Amino acid sequence: GAGVSQSPRYKVAKRGQDVALRCDPISGHVSLFWYQQALGQGPEFLTYFQNEAQLDKSGLPSDRFFAERPEGSVSTLKIQRTQQEDSAVYLCASSLDRAETQYFGPGTRLLVL
Amino acid sequence: AQSVTQLGSHVSVSEGALVLLRCNYSSSVPPYLFWYVQYPNQGLQLLLKYTSAATLVKGINGFEAEFKKSETSFHLTKPSAHMSDAAEYFCAVSDAGYALNFGKGTSLLVTP
Repeated sequence: GAGVSQSPRYKVAKRGQDVALRCDPISGHVSLFWYQQALGQGPEFLTYFQNEAQLDKSGLPSDRFFAERPEGSVSTLKIQRTQQEDSAVYLCASSLDRAETQYFGPGTRLLVL
Repeated sequence: AQSVTQLGSHVSVSEGALVLLRCNYSSSVPPYLFWYVQYPNQGLQLLLKYTSAATLVKGINGFEAEFKKSETSFHLTKPSAHMSDAAEYFCAVSDAGYALNFGKGTSLLVTP
């Protein structure tokens, strides 16, 4: 079946704009993760969902970052009042359950000008 | 907190030569360890993972890694490099397979 998909693939935002990044996990995957990958760095954990419940949001860098997964499938990562330091690739991953292999999407590359 | 350190941000090998990418971990509990590969403009693909079974783990594309508790290492190897192996490689650790903590990555260059 299809893998994890993310949209848009590229997003350019002016500083101060709000953005919404979408993740479509593999069908039937209970767990969903968001990671942030700055240029030249490894991905860093942002938040984790088990079905529709957000069980861990300890990695969100500020209260401008908000994630949701209202029906336990598609997830949206929202960044309010974007700042230049938010420029990064945002990766979504899903797994059958929390301890299973995580499958990654291609990422959304966000550039804040 | 669990973490990994990847030694060498860039590694260059000749086609056909041995590939060795180094990863050391820090963990207070038996870790789950992973190697992922990332090709340009693509997501991360799992190469292999260690979950406290056999210490020598075989993965895809001819890669393998050995868990050495005494050295707190999980180095990635491949006997013979192919041009198609050129990519960014990430070592990662997690406790009980939860959120992954990644290293900074090693860029592998394969020369003809």
